[in-house]
Amino acid sequence: GDSVTQMEGPVTLSEEAFLTINCTYTATGYPSLFWYVQYPGEGLQLLLKATKADDKGSNKGFEATYRKETTSFHLEKGSVQVSDSAVYFCALIADKLIFGTGTRLQVFP
Amino acid sequence: DTEVTQTPKHLVMGMTNKKSLKCEQHMGHRAMYWYKQKAKKPPELMFVYSYEKLSINESVPSRFSPECPNSSLLNLHLHALQPEDSALYLCASSPPGREGGPNTEAFFGQGTRLTVV
Repeated sequence: GDSVTQMEGPVTLSEEAFLTINCTYTATGYPSLFWYVQYPGEGLQLLLKATKADDKGSNKGFEATYRKETTSFHLEKGSVQVSDSAVYFCALIADKLIFGTGTRLQVFP
Repeated sequence: DTEVTQTPKHLVMGMTNKKSLKCEQHMGHRAMYWYKQKAKKPPELMFVYSYEKLSINESVPSRFSPECPNSSLLNLHLHALQPEDSALYLCASSPPGREGGPNTEAFFGQGTRLTVV
């Protein structure tokens, strides 16, 4: 069945470092792909999305490109801030939203 | 208005209590969802309502009873819960897609943190 695989966390970075969180998927067809972010004690917020191959989603300095050939949707940010500390979920739409296991990001000053 | 509002934010209940979680959205979405999230885990789908009708029940125990009174409201009635049911309960909404599930992104509320004692 359809699935999403994310890199294990936690990812620990210093402020202004470059961030990559890997996400790969298995799906029939070409599903829409999403990154959600969950700050401590809160619900999930949609961070960005891409609906077809080669689409680049971007928001708040984060980017991810829908790569059909590698079935990937890696999340990147050029310079992280302490306020980016959160759990990041990669997800795809099949008959329902399917989430990866989540990656905790910790950014230190 | 892109908000999904959940009440209460926190709930502590005994195993013999009956309580309800409430969810409201005014985005005109016709699909609404309940998810359960345990600590350090992704959300798990419980129920999907499409056009106010239950379209997906992910084999959830009957002590959880969903209700969709109208297109803006979604309730989750709780009765005789167990301590292992303690979790963050998330409501979400989206435009409905094929088979009653989403065809685009879902918008989530802030959740109700439930503790069963």
